[in-house]
Amino acid sequence: GESVGLHLPTLSVQEGDNSIINCAYSNSASDYFIWYKQESGKGPQFIIDIRSNMDKRQGQRVTVLLNKTVKHLSLQIAATQPGDSAVYFCAEIPGYGGATNKLIFGTGTLLAVQP
Amino acid sequence: DAGVIQSPRHEVTEMGQEVTLRCKPISGHDYLFWYRQTMMRGLELLIYFNNNVPIDDSGMPEDRFSAKMPNASFSTLKIQPSEPRDSAVYFCASTRRTRETQYFGPGTRLLVL
Repeated sequence: GESVGLHLPTLSVQEGDNSIINCAYSNSASDYFIWYKQESGKGPQFIIDIRSNMDKRQGQRVTVLLNKTVKHLSLQIAATQPGDSAVYFCAEIPGYGGATNKLIFGTGTLLAVQP
Repeated sequence: DAGVIQSPRHEVTEMGQEVTLRCKPISGHDYLFWYRQTMMRGLELLIYFNNNVPIDDSGMPEDRFSAKMPNASFSTLKIQPSEPRDSAVYFCASTRRTRETQYFGPGTRLLVL
């Protein structure tokens, strides 16, 4: 079946360093991708999104890169802060001619920021 | 603006009991989604509605699960009878237009004993 991110890795970084969280997606027809942050006991929170006609998008302290050739998505967080500690999920919406709203989530990456 | 509202936040029940989870989407959002999150399976879409009409319920695990959306500001997810394997966090999400970012509620943590 289709899947995004088949494992839950953990990334440990020092406060102030830059973080890079990676995600592999399997559906080449996907045309919309979203990064969510989920803190303990809370729902997923939108961080940034990107459509397949772009390869880079920047937000506040975050950048998403999309490499359609190798079906890879990454989230870069600049100057990582303790408040960034959370599980980060990438999610995709398969293209299917625009007929679906199903978000397919990866299993997530735990980001642990060391003070 | 208020985000997606879910109730209850926590629910503990015994096997065989009926459980009803509630969701109020963000005002003006035409799409509403129900997800389930477990350690084993991650986040799974159960069902979603567009303008109160169920569009895709292929993720609903079995007939014990049902969802309704009687109006644009309210939806329920019901499990009857509940089983211990239904223990999970259930999230509701909404979005304004098709194929756009979904905004999640805080979730209902369900424990079936």
